[in-house]
Amino acid sequence: GAVVSQHPSRVICKSGTSVKIECRSLDFQATTMFWYRQFPKKSLMLMATSNEGSKATYEQGVEKDKFLINHASLTLSTLTVTSAHPEDSSFYICSASGRVGGEQFFGPGTRLTVL
Amino acid sequence: GESVGLHLPTLSVQEGDNSIINCAYSNSASDYFIWYKQESGKGPQFIIDIRSNMDKRQGQRVTVLLNKTVKHLSLQIAATQPGDSAVYFCAEFSSASKIIFGSGTRLSIRP
Repeated sequence: GAVVSQHPSRVICKSGTSVKIECRSLDFQATTMFWYRQFPKKSLMLMATSNEGSKATYEQGVEKDKFLINHASLTLSTLTVTSAHPEDSSFYICSASGRVGGEQFFGPGTRLTVL
Repeated sequence: GESVGLHLPTLSVQEGDNSIINCAYSNSASDYFIWYKQESGKGPQFIIDIRSNMDKRQGQRVTVLLNKTVKHLSLQIAATQPGDSAVYFCAEFSSASKIIFGSGTRLSIRP
């Protein structure tokens, strides 16, 4: 149980385009989902926390207008990287929790490459 | 403030030997820690956790030790196998229900 999936697993796009990444909890309802970014050989950095039906809370330094997060249902959150640039190339990982303060289950990650 | 860090970026271990990965934290109020394993191109995988009311916790081939006096924790892997090759992160579960990851240690196994 407690499986989290991400789609796509990898995406390559041109600079200036927008990319949407999906995070789904497959066998539980995720009241809270988290989005992380990981640069090569670096640690995971939390970008934002989203609760179903409400606006996401972004970490300091993360542009909310550039990284649009939608958590419209208890099993799906999406991260849209708008007007992507090469410096946005990274590994994006989501996690989901069934309750506030509960265990987080991580997705397999999405590799974004912006040309 | 909250911060979690690791002493060594890389660790090379002979197959069959025990591995010890260390981690230091700075927030003395931290009360819950988690170790994750991340294989190349994948998301982090939960290994073991420990709360501050414990000094030691054991799992299958893994043991986590917590020394609150010096704000240090370690992950011990017994009889290291090739499949243990990965990056290991210690992480702190903050009071705001966020996971704060350390910088990671890459474990490589020598045949």
